[in-house]
Amino acid sequence: EPEVTQTPSHQVTQMGQEVILRCVPISNHLYFYWYRQILGQKVEFLVSFYNNEISEKSEIFDDQFSVERPDGSNFTLKIRSTKLEDSAMYFCASSPDRGPGGYTFGSGTRLTVV
Amino acid sequence: DAKTTQPPSMDCAEGRAANLPCNHSTISGNEYVYWYRQIHSQGPQYIIHGLKNNETNEMASLIITEDRKSSTLILPHATLRDTAVYYCIVRGANSGYALNFGKGTSLLVTP
Repeated sequence: EPEVTQTPSHQVTQMGQEVILRCVPISNHLYFYWYRQILGQKVEFLVSFYNNEISEKSEIFDDQFSVERPDGSNFTLKIRSTKLEDSAMYFCASSPDRGPGGYTFGSGTRLTVV
Repeated sequence: DAKTTQPPSMDCAEGRAANLPCNHSTISGNEYVYWYRQIHSQGPQYIIHGLKNNETNEMASLIITEDRKSSTLILPHATLRDTAVYYCIVRGANSGYALNFGKGTSLLVTP
């Protein structure tokens, strides 16, 4: 069964450093998403991406965040200057269309900011 | 998107059916009911979705009441690996892209 692949599985970074989280969505999917989950809290939507541009973003997704699809397979989330409160699981997801079908999520990257 | 209400936790014996309820009394006509689950900090996993009719796939069945104000996810023969948090989400087909994960129901399947 096709999978969404995320790397790395765990990243530790110093506060103030930039991090890039990487995702390989399912190959024929056209819509891409990032979600995050702070330990013990709900899964929260960050951003959706379609046709090489952001289609929707939450208020969490401020200027320190950016997304990019640098080539035909990767989808990245960049956090420019990490803060302690950015520590969370970050999940990438993809879907073939905007229709009613389900999204496929990756297994996540655990980001720890120290 | 309509708000959903789920019990915070449920138990189920292994091999028995797990019936997880969800109330969505403010659902509108073009909104689908989705179920996802999350097994211990893994990524959420899509289970099933429906609009009006009951649906069944290899993982579960979804029963939607006739007035569509509530639904039940049924895992017919729960296993220990079904222990997870189950999320009921209501979303329109052409509404925003975000899935609104609430707190869900924490299902514990016991031997």
